[in-house]
Amino acid sequence: DIQMTQSPSSVSASVGDRVTITCRASQGISSWLAWYQQKPGKAPKLLIYTASSLQSGVPSRFSGSGSGADFTLTITSLQPEDFATYYCQQTNSFPLTFGGGTKVEIK
Amino acid sequence: EVQLLESGGGLVQPGGSLRLSCAASGFTFSSFAMTWVRQAPGTGLEWVSTISGSGDSTYYADSVKGRFTISRDNSKNTLYLQMNSLRTEDTAVYSCAKGSVGESPSYGMDVWGQGTTVTVSS
Repeated sequence: DIQMTQSPSSVSASVGDRVTITCRASQGISSWLAWYQQKPGKAPKLLIYTASSLQSGVPSRFSGSGSGADFTLTITSLQPEDFATYYCQQTNSFPLTFGGGTKVEIK
Repeated sequence: EVQLLESGGGLVQPGGSLRLSCAASGFTFSSFAMTWVRQAPGTGLEWVSTISGSGDSTYYADSVKGRFTISRDNSKNTLYLQMNSLRTEDTAVYSCAKGSVGESPSYGMDVWGQGTTVTVSS
């Protein structure tokens, strides 16, 4: 099974900051990676698929990069509504594993 | 509007069974892979199972293999998860999710239900 490791597990940031979250796969997954945002008590929301493709309706301040085993989610100019937990998920092969999550908190 | 609505959760004793349902609307249900994801209290997301649009192909997490069965009725636009031999560690909110691009699971899941809570306790 492919293990997904996210870092950091939490980050404190202020509105307007640039935030970067990394996700590492235990083996190469090409560009088969998705990123989700989850707010408390809410369903996850797809942000990015195939590592760098922005899902329709997602603000352009979100971007994804990487391929192989190392990936990054970047939020430029953090907005109040961006405080949430972010998960990566490898979509290369079953089982489709998630990372442990990164909580973006208000500084 | 594309919607997924789960039902069937509840309190069950260890060793018991439960069947979850996910009613889909607003899209051509049979054209998309569907997935169950769970989230135990205070923890992250865990992929549970995926089924192809036709229902011919199914995939399971090791933690549920042999105990859970995913199925779908495309005539009723409904996804199911039959859960047998339940354990306390199966306690979680179970959500169904739609694949964003047809049969392929490779493009993520773009529509999620709000989830149904399963509690396994004596």
